[in-house]
Amino acid sequence: QVQLQQWGAGLLKPSETLSLTCAVYSGSFSTYYFTWVRQSPGQGLEWIGEINHSGSTNYNPSLRSRVTISVDTSKNQFSLKLTSVTAADTAVYYCARGGGPRSDAFDIWGQGTMVTVSS
Amino acid sequence: DIQMTQSPSSVSASVGDRVVITCRASQDISAWLVWYQQKPGKAPNLLIYGASRLQSGVPSRFSGSGSGTVFTLTISSLQPEDFATYYCQQARSSPPTFGGGTRVEIK
Repeated sequence: QVQLQQWGAGLLKPSETLSLTCAVYSGSFSTYYFTWVRQSPGQGLEWIGEINHSGSTNYNPSLRSRVTISVDTSKNQFSLKLTSVTAADTAVYYCARGGGPRSDAFDIWGQGTMVTVSS
Repeated sequence: DIQMTQSPSSVSASVGDRVVITCRASQDISAWLVWYQQKPGKAPNLLIYGASRLQSGVPSRFSGSGSGTVFTLTISSLQPEDFATYYCQQARSSPPTFGGGTRVEIK
């Protein structure tokens, strides 16, 4: 059964860089795109961006200037970096499987990481 | 970006009730519509994709319909485990965008 497990720092100061990693277990890494989504407290869901095994990425234009998503195929992992964070970036961040040119639905999700930005 | 609007924002219902949630897209998305269920403290869970295709393992009391700009999620007979927040998402164009959610509460 495919599982996504994510980790990263949960408390940041303004202007720091958010860094999260998601590992894919027991599933094909090369067949799918993998995605990052965030959810601000009490708010809805926002797509951040996606990547595939060859490193092809797409980003939300609203975050593109600050986001980098990368992949490590040797470990079946992908990572998110978001620079110059502010309080507005406080949210639960999820990794998920899906997206890409097939527009696959997000069918497998990580457990989520709460990231708080506070001075 | 395609804007997704859900209604109602919340609904109170009893076990056994039929619940209908509507999602409207700001432009034609054909059948590129996905529904998720989210419970407090948990990640969203995929219910329906392609507007009407039930994800494996999802109970048949859930159904989806619609195309173009108007879509519905129907729970035919609400069960205690169905009290949650439901989100629609368009997969027609990038960036994927989500509706604001519909909270289904116990009456």
